[in-house]
Amino acid sequence: GDSVTQMEGPVTLSEEAFLTINCTYTATGYPSLFWYVQYPGEGLQLLLKATKADDKGSNKGFEATYRKETTSFHLEKGSVQVSDSAVYFCALRSNNAGNMLTFGGGTRLMVKP
Amino acid sequence: ETGVTQSPTHLIKTRGQQVTLRCSSQSGHNTVSWYQQALGQGPQFIFQYYREEENGRGNFPPRFSGLQFPNYSSELNVNALELDDSALYLCASSPGTSQETQYFGPGTRLLVL
Repeated sequence: GDSVTQMEGPVTLSEEAFLTINCTYTATGYPSLFWYVQYPGEGLQLLLKATKADDKGSNKGFEATYRKETTSFHLEKGSVQVSDSAVYFCALRSNNAGNMLTFGGGTRLMVKP
Repeated sequence: ETGVTQSPTHLIKTRGQQVTLRCSSQSGHNTVSWYQQALGQGPQFIFQYYREEENGRGNFPPRFSGLQFPNYSSELNVNALELDDSALYLCASSPGTSQETQYFGPGTRLLVL
């Protein structure tokens, strides 16, 4: 079945540091890939998405590239801020799964001033 | 445009009881999905409702059931509560059933004692 694996956290960075959160997936066909962010006490917010191989999703300085050959969708940001502290979830949606999302376990990011 | 709302925000129940959680979908969205997010884990798909009918179900027992109303709002019912049902329950709405971006509500945190 479909699955998503994320690097375990927490990831602790200083402000303005470079961020990478790794995400790899297993799925049949060509899934759509997503990054969601969950701020403390809130629900999930869509951060970015990519629907086909080599697509790059980007939003708020974050970006991720859909790599079919390595089945990866790593999240990157060049300079993190304290306000980026949150839990980040990688997710996929298979073409044959309707609207069902399969999530990774989440990676907590803590950014220190 | 109103986003996805859920009620109540928090709930405490005892083992064996029944609970009903509610979700109002975003304006214009006819599809609602429910997810269970255990502490420290990623969300897991429970089921989806489209035009008042169940349209896909994850690996959850029959004591998890739902409804969708003509205005597309939805309820999640859980019977015979178990301690492991303690989690954040997330509702997500989308304008269709397939390949559509889902928008999540803030969740209902359920504690079963």
